[in-house]
Amino acid sequence: DAGVTQSPTHLIKTRGQQVTLRCSPKSGHDTVSWYQQALGQGPQFIFQYYEEEERQRGNFPDRFSGHQFPNYSSELNVNALLLGDSALYLCASSSILAGEGNEQFFGPGTRLTVL
Amino acid sequence: QQQVKQSPQSLIVQKGGISIINCAYENTAFDYFPWYQQFPGKGPALLIAIRPDVSEKKEGRFTISFNKSAKQFSLHIMDSQPGDSATYFCAASNQAGTALIFGKGTTLSVSS
Repeated sequence: DAGVTQSPTHLIKTRGQQVTLRCSPKSGHDTVSWYQQALGQGPQFIFQYYEEEERQRGNFPDRFSGHQFPNYSSELNVNALLLGDSALYLCASSSILAGEGNEQFFGPGTRLTVL
Repeated sequence: QQQVKQSPQSLIVQKGGISIINCAYENTAFDYFPWYQQFPGKGPALLIAIRPDVSEKKEGRFTISFNKSAKQFSLHIMDSQPGDSATYFCAASNQAGTALIFGKGTTLSVSS
């Protein structure tokens, strides 16, 4: 049973460019959350998708957008990249149907470097 | 307030010792408190989680102690091993599965 997978592993972009990161949830999971982890910091919640809709959003600008597909996989898009967007982007999956057992499992992340 | 405050920032423990990491929160609506372990270059891995209806939960060498009135919770790692050397994050959310608010992390080094 594959866990949460993310692609690509590493990415280098320049300021002003746009980037798309991808996530496949753990088998049986229907909810995907995205987090940004700056170096030496804890992850910060960006947003969560369930049933192809944005269910919850953290304090991130509109440059950060997302999408969830019918197969529950998800994309994170960041427009007009800034140097400060350099971070590890983590995807976490969970299952709404699990109720109180609705724990979030993280993927290995995508390391984004903005030059 | 959405913050979760974690201490200490770093911790050095001898092999076989007890590692203790503390967290405090402000938002009384939080009702789910997980701990994650992260190795360099990897994503966080769920270690153990607790809800405020119990004061303690133990899984193997890992124990969470929870003090609802003080709005504090802690992770105890018994018989610490070099393989436990990692960064540990406490987190909190309004309910399991929703946005996790993380502490800033504790880097644990277990010396052999």
